[in-house]
Amino acid sequence: RKEVEQDPGPFNVPEGATVAFNCTYSNSASQSFFWYRQDCRKEPKLLMSVYSSGNEDGRFTAQLNRASQYISLLIRDSKLSDSATYLCVVNGRETSYDKVIFGPGTSLSVIP
Amino acid sequence: GAVVSQHPSRVICKSGTSVKIECRSLDFQATTMFWYRQFPKQSLMLMATSNEGSKATYEQGVEKDKFLINHASLTLSTLTVTSAHPEDSSFYICSASVRQGGYGYTFGSGTRLTVV
Repeated sequence: RKEVEQDPGPFNVPEGATVAFNCTYSNSASQSFFWYRQDCRKEPKLLMSVYSSGNEDGRFTAQLNRASQYISLLIRDSKLSDSATYLCVVNGRETSYDKVIFGPGTSLSVIP
Repeated sequence: GAVVSQHPSRVICKSGTSVKIECRSLDFQATTMFWYRQFPKQSLMLMATSNEGSKATYEQGVEKDKFLINHASLTLSTLTVTSAHPEDSSFYICSASVRQGGYGYTFGSGTRLTVV
């Protein structure tokens, strides 16, 4: 089983739609969770951290379920500029060092 | 905010030569640097984790003698691809853990390596 798995996508949605991405992780000792977005041929950029209580940033809502080892990202009122690949990122601690693993990403295309 | 400067952004080299990629943290101390590789239409794959002043920890399947990582200071980590071959052509990117005003990771802009 891969350490971090995501919906393969691609997701093609009309402007204004609500879209949800899911992510599961295998290491129950994982400590920190993030969503990044990556535009084509660019470096990933932090979208938001994911907190145990769930958190919201404008149109974006992230949820964490530690018991199920599951993370989600909800995007409301999709904009054309939201088209990108969304990466689930999990940080686990291996003995004495951090280990940061990226999911395979879910591609989103928002269509006019 | 925390910035990682990565150079070069693009390099074309001949098969059999070595290429060095540098990542510098400009306004913070990067005690841990992660090196990733990304092939077209694939995810970022962690190659190794380097901690300042100690040997890098390589992921399974990554040859440590081929991908030399040096993290001699808190502001500089380098990845050297030795005896490069066309199959090493990829997008290489570094990331440093940042613990300023929160916790997260900041990325270099990436290096697109083409081996001909």
